[in-house]
Amino acid sequence: EDKVVQSPLSLVVHEGDTVTLNCSYEVTNFRSLLWYKQEKKAPTFLFMLTSSGIEKKSGRLSSILDKKELSSILNITATQTGDSAIYLCAPSNFGNEKLTFGTGTRLTIIP
Amino acid sequence: EPEVTQTPSHQVTQMGQEVILRCVPISNHLYFYWYRQILGQKVEFLVSFYNNEISEKSEIFDDQFSVERPDGSNFTLKIRSTKLEDSAMYFCASSHGGSSNQPQHFGDGTRLSIL
Repeated sequence: EDKVVQSPLSLVVHEGDTVTLNCSYEVTNFRSLLWYKQEKKAPTFLFMLTSSGIEKKSGRLSSILDKKELSSILNITATQTGDSAIYLCAPSNFGNEKLTFGTGTRLTIIP
Repeated sequence: EPEVTQTPSHQVTQMGQEVILRCVPISNHLYFYWYRQILGQKVEFLVSFYNNEISEKSEIFDDQFSVERPDGSNFTLKIRSTKLEDSAMYFCASSHGGSSNQPQHFGDGTRLSIL
C-alpha cells in the first residue's frame, strides 16, 4: 500500500522565520512528487519534482527531491502571515497518475 | 489562468438520496480525477478517468459511485444512495497527464452534507 508521511504535523513560527517541511514516501511506480498549499478550499499547486537533487524555486519557496532516501523537503524563507496553511505532499504514479496525499503539515505564522 | 470549476459549492442531501456533483475540467486536459476529504482527514483518491473510461479506482469507489463525461466539458460524480459517511469535501482535478507529466489542478470542491 502506498504511504506518505509528513513532518512535523504542526508548526508555529514567527513572521520572518525560515521553515523546513518534510515528506517521505513509499509508492509503487513512482513518477513525481508534488507539493500543494491548502488554505480554505482547494489544494493549490506549488511544485512538481521528478529528478533527484534538483532544487525548484518560486520566490521564497523552494523544494528538492531525494529519490534515494524517498523523501522531499519544502523550505520557506522569510515567512509571512499569508504562508499560514496546510502544506500537502503527494507522490504520483506512472500510468493512472493518481496522487497519494500525506496528512499535511499545518503551518501557522504569528505576526 | 484557466481553472477547474465545481458546482454546487455546497450540497445538502437526505441519506439514501442520489447526488450528482459536477465539474468542468480545464479545457485541454485529458485526465480527470475525483478526490474526497473527510473533515479533519487527508485528501483521498477516489477515481481517475481517461479516454472515456475509468483508469483506476480506490476501495472507497464502490458500486454506489459512478463517473461520467456526458459531453465535451463536464465531468460528473454520482453517488446513488448516499450514506452518512459520504459527508465530505469532494474535489475534482484535471491534468494533461500521459507523457507530458503536468501537475493536477484542483477545483474549489463541493461540500457534501448527508443528513
